[in-house]
Amino acid sequence: QSVLTQPPSASGTPGQRVTISCSGGRSNIGSNTVTWYQQLPGTAPKFLIYSNSQRPSGVPDRFSGSKSGTSASLAISGLQSEDEADYYCAAWDDSLNGPVFGGGTKLTVL
Amino acid sequence: EVQLLESGGGLVQPGGSLRLSCAASGFTYSSYAMSWVRQAPGKGLEWVSGISGTAGRTYYADSVKGRFTISRDNSKNTLYLQMNSLRAEDTAVYFCAKGYCSGGSCPFSSRLDPWGQGTLVIVSS
Repeated sequence: QSVLTQPPSASGTPGQRVTISCSGGRSNIGSNTVTWYQQLPGTAPKFLIYSNSQRPSGVPDRFSGSKSGTSASLAISGLQSEDEADYYCAAWDDSLNGPVFGGGTKLTVL
Repeated sequence: EVQLLESGGGLVQPGGSLRLSCAASGFTYSSYAMSWVRQAPGKGLEWVSGISGTAGRTYYADSVKGRFTISRDNSKNTLYLQMNSLRAEDTAVYFCAKGYCSGGSCPFSSRLDPWGQGTLVIVSS
């Protein structure tokens, strides 16, 4: 059971906009910033969003993040087939003294 | 280019030990906190342990506390994870990952980038 809660799956057609939610608590999302990772099949996770909504260089602006209270979300607009991957949210947890992850959301591009 | 290369994974019997290594290059290794994160087959990500740049602070997930020890050799740009008393539930791909620095501060956080390609640990008799 993951500390952060994500829906196990999401889907959309090419060009659509999809959102993935991430719910936590006061000791993690409520007190710290949220990071998002993308994991393509058979590869290591890739850094996608940091500080709730900031994109590292090289990440397309189709990806955006937001946070409100103890929840966060990742939005992907203009969905493309190469976006099919697992997406994980993460946040530092002040009680556990370590980063905690969501269970991951498998995004399918129909 | 920042590179992280894990090694040391393999098949080990329950109760056995294994030491993982992560060779780092392309950045000032001693400045950055480093972490180990694992992923059991078909499952999500689980942070295992983290260590500060100077190795003065270490953190562990409850699931491995007392059994795993994280360390680093800044002269060799290498991160280690000594795993003892291994259990079947420790079976996973183990990734090492680099923390970040900003404004002269290199805190622990959920911001890990990049990650190595991972090394597979299988605990089975």
